[in-house]
Amino acid sequence: SQQGEEDPQALSIQEGENATMNCSYKTSINNLQWYRQNSGRGLVHLILIRSNEREKHSGRLRVTLDTSKKSSSLLITASRAADTASYFCATDAETSGSRLTFGEGTQLTVNP
Amino acid sequence: DTEVTQTPKHLVMGMTNKKSLKCEQHMGHRAMYWYKQKAKKPPELMFVYSYEKLSINESVPSRFSPECPNSSLLNLHLHALQPEDSALYLCASSLPYGPQHFGDGTRLSIL
Repeated sequence: SQQGEEDPQALSIQEGENATMNCSYKTSINNLQWYRQNSGRGLVHLILIRSNEREKHSGRLRVTLDTSKKSSSLLITASRAADTASYFCATDAETSGSRLTFGEGTQLTVNP
Repeated sequence: DTEVTQTPKHLVMGMTNKKSLKCEQHMGHRAMYWYKQKAKKPPELMFVYSYEKLSINESVPSRFSPECPNSSLLNLHLHALQPEDSALYLCASSLPYGPQHFGDGTRLSIL
């Protein structure tokens, strides 16, 4: 079963604007990961944040993690048309073995 | 280009056919995964291999049969599939507790 929920389900913005996506989960985790999926392609790993970290940056990406609220957010700054994709959070739960549990995803559309 | 290679990219098969999906990686990852993904949905885990041994089977029907011949290769053998098995099948690999690297998948259609 999927433990992650993401909102919004869909987000449409203009180029240059920032995009924020949120993810909630239910169990204790080792880490939380964000992936991007372009139409017709596989998933691409974006960033991994461990349970003892609160914030992480990678280029135009900023991820926060609040383990007390069991939530995470992904911020993409200065968005580009090429950022148009589906974005998934995935949790590596403490009791999951090698399982990742994916959220339902956010479809981001960046209009030129 | 992805570092995980899946073949074929597209596959159309009848319900009585037998076919195989192939996945290859040369990153030295010892964990490999099969996922099924329906349109506009997240990937669903099917199988996990760790050091060439099946470690997780998510109650997948026996018409799907995984195989890991060596540390670089992962196969998924298909037999007597149903129309609802039409989906994108994704392979991934990783280091222990590391991020997963995905192939671009095989788009499977069952007639």
